[in-house]
Amino acid sequence: KAGVTQTPRYLIKTRGQQVTLSCSPISGHRSVSWYQQTPGQGLQFLFEYFSETQRNKGNFPGRFSGRQFSNSRSEMNVSTLELGDSALYLCASSLLAGAWGFKETQYFGPGTRLLVL
Amino acid sequence: QKEVEQDPGPLSVPEGAIVSLNCTYSNSAFQYFMWYRQYSRKGPELLMYTYSSGNKEDGRFTAQVDKSSKYISLFIRDSQPSDSATYLCAMNQGTGNQFYFGTGTSLTVIP
Repeated sequence: KAGVTQTPRYLIKTRGQQVTLSCSPISGHRSVSWYQQTPGQGLQFLFEYFSETQRNKGNFPGRFSGRQFSNSRSEMNVSTLELGDSALYLCASSLLAGAWGFKETQYFGPGTRLLVL
Repeated sequence: QKEVEQDPGPLSVPEGAIVSLNCTYSNSAFQYFMWYRQYSRKGPELLMYTYSSGNKEDGRFTAQVDKSSKYISLFIRDSQPSDSATYLCAMNQGTGNQFYFGTGTSLTVIP
């Protein structure tokens, strides 16, 4: 079974631009979560989507947005990029939202490394 | 104050050593506690998870949770060079999929 895939893997943008990142979850997984990882802050939760609906949202400004499609693929968008947005953006999928059990944990993709100049 | 605190290290140990990794937290509502391992240029992968207080063992790995002290630990016995990675603790209240992560501890096991 294929794992979580994220595209692109690397991205360089300049301040003020916008960017769209894509995530394809494991087949059959309906929950997709997005995280920002930086050396100073670690992994910070951005938002979670389940069945095309945003279920949870972290403490990030409105410049960060996302959506989920009917096939569970998800995109996140960052508008008006700032230097501080440089980070590794990780997507994680799970079988059920809020369901617990070892087999229903989150599976992370390799991430998209974004550099804002 | 961050909800989850983790010593970033780096930690360097000889092969075969016992490694102790720790996190503290402030939110008493956390019920689920997890340890992830992240190799360079990869996403985190789940190592172990524990519900509430107590110990859980899986091979060379032991996870401990002390909710009264808001303190969790991961012990690695007979450490191997392949254990060299960043270890992240994570916590969840058990409602929804919002995880709170530590910043990670970088571990190097020297052959």
